[in-house]
Amino acid sequence: GAGVSQSPSNKVTEKGKDVELRCDPISGHTALYWYRQRLGQGLEFLIYFQGNSAPDKSGLPSDRFSAERTGESVSTLTIQRTQQEDSAVYLCASSLTVRSVSPLHFGNGTRLTVT
Amino acid sequence: LAKTTQPISMDSYEGQEVNITCSHNNIATNDYITWYQQFPSQGPRFIIQGYKTKVTNEVASLFIPADRKSSTLSLPRVSLSDTAVYYCLVAYDNYGQNFVFGPGTRLSVLP
Repeated sequence: GAGVSQSPSNKVTEKGKDVELRCDPISGHTALYWYRQRLGQGLEFLIYFQGNSAPDKSGLPSDRFSAERTGESVSTLTIQRTQQEDSAVYLCASSLTVRSVSPLHFGNGTRLTVT
Repeated sequence: LAKTTQPISMDSYEGQEVNITCSHNNIATNDYITWYQQFPSQGPRFIIQGYKTKVTNEVASLFIPADRKSSTLSLPRVSLSDTAVYYCLVAYDNYGQNFVFGPGTRLSVLP
């Protein structure tokens, strides 16, 4: 079956512009996660959704970052007024549930470059 | 939150068995241990998960001692394609910050 899909795969933007990153999770997965990975680093948790709700937004780096999920499906991560330090790969994952340690299924990420 | 410690990097040769150990001294009673593999330009991929003793699947084995303060991922007869970063995670659920990825172990398989 289809895995987690992210678009675009690559995005180059100028400093100060807004960007939207999209994630299509596996159908039926109630939990959805966003992570950020800088070059050569581990994964940094940003936010997760249970259904369409985001109980934990504490990982968002600043108020320039926001995310939403609709229809317990597609999620969008928006970065406003991008800065060079926002350059990274943004990974989305989904899992069947948060109530047990269900394996996370990751997309291949969106590589964001802010010039 | 259970904190994990893994070697930053390891080298091996094709055909050898590779064992990567993860320390998690303050693991909680309900925590599970999960390992992921990440290739360059890809998201992490689930390898194996266990709670105690030994778990084996088609790609790896996971050994967990009785005190559960560590775990060892065993990859039999590695090939060049096993070169990747391997992450050990300890958590009892997927609630956001409970599922934290550390820096992982960068495994290099040499010919």
